[in-house]
Amino acid sequence: DTAVSQTPKYLVTQMGNDKSIKCEQNLGHDTMYWYKQDSKKFLKIMFSYNNKELIINETVPNRFSPKSPDKAHLNLHINSLELGDSAVYFCASSLLAGPGAGELFFGEGSRLTVL
Amino acid sequence: KQEVTQIPAALSVPEGENLVLNCSFTDSAIYNLQWFRQDPGKGLTSLLLIQSSQREQTSGRLNASLDKSSGRSTLYIAASQPGDSATYLCAGNTPLVFGKGTRLSVIA
Repeated sequence: DTAVSQTPKYLVTQMGNDKSIKCEQNLGHDTMYWYKQDSKKFLKIMFSYNNKELIINETVPNRFSPKSPDKAHLNLHINSLELGDSAVYFCASSLLAGPGAGELFFGEGSRLTVL
Repeated sequence: KQEVTQIPAALSVPEGENLVLNCSFTDSAIYNLQWFRQDPGKGLTSLLLIQSSQREQTSGRLNASLDKSSGRSTLYIAASQPGDSATYLCAGNTPLVFGKGTRLSVIA
């Protein structure tokens, strides 16, 4: 039973298109995150939600819009895709937010390729 | 701004060796630290979490320690096995700031 699951696992699309990635966690956690892993394998935080409220919004283009319909789900919508958006996007969750958040659990990642 | 450095970037050892992976933070104000492994094309698997009141954690052949005064953490792997081959990432202070990882190869 997967704790943090993301769909789709692979996504290949053309420049200019709009796409979404979905994430669900069944751990009962309050906080969810989106991370981006670039071609050099460097992982960087993009967004974080705590109980459906946006608490972290790093310097990410506003073409990226996260949405959390409930605390178990965090989706990422990307408008007008660019070549530089090609990366692996990881969803994660933790029990709480901030320094006492506890262990972070990651999904398997969604590999986005923009042609 | 917190930055994390992992040394070495890559390591190749024969099976059975004990090894140490290093992680250092530019800002020693570390509240929590987590070590992960990432297999090629896969997600991150959490190995150990050191919380703010702790100095080390152990799980099986793995031991992680955190020295807040120096802003350094080490991951010790005992009796390495080919199945330990992966990239090991350290990260601190939720939302986690990651290092670039150490790519470990254990040769049978």
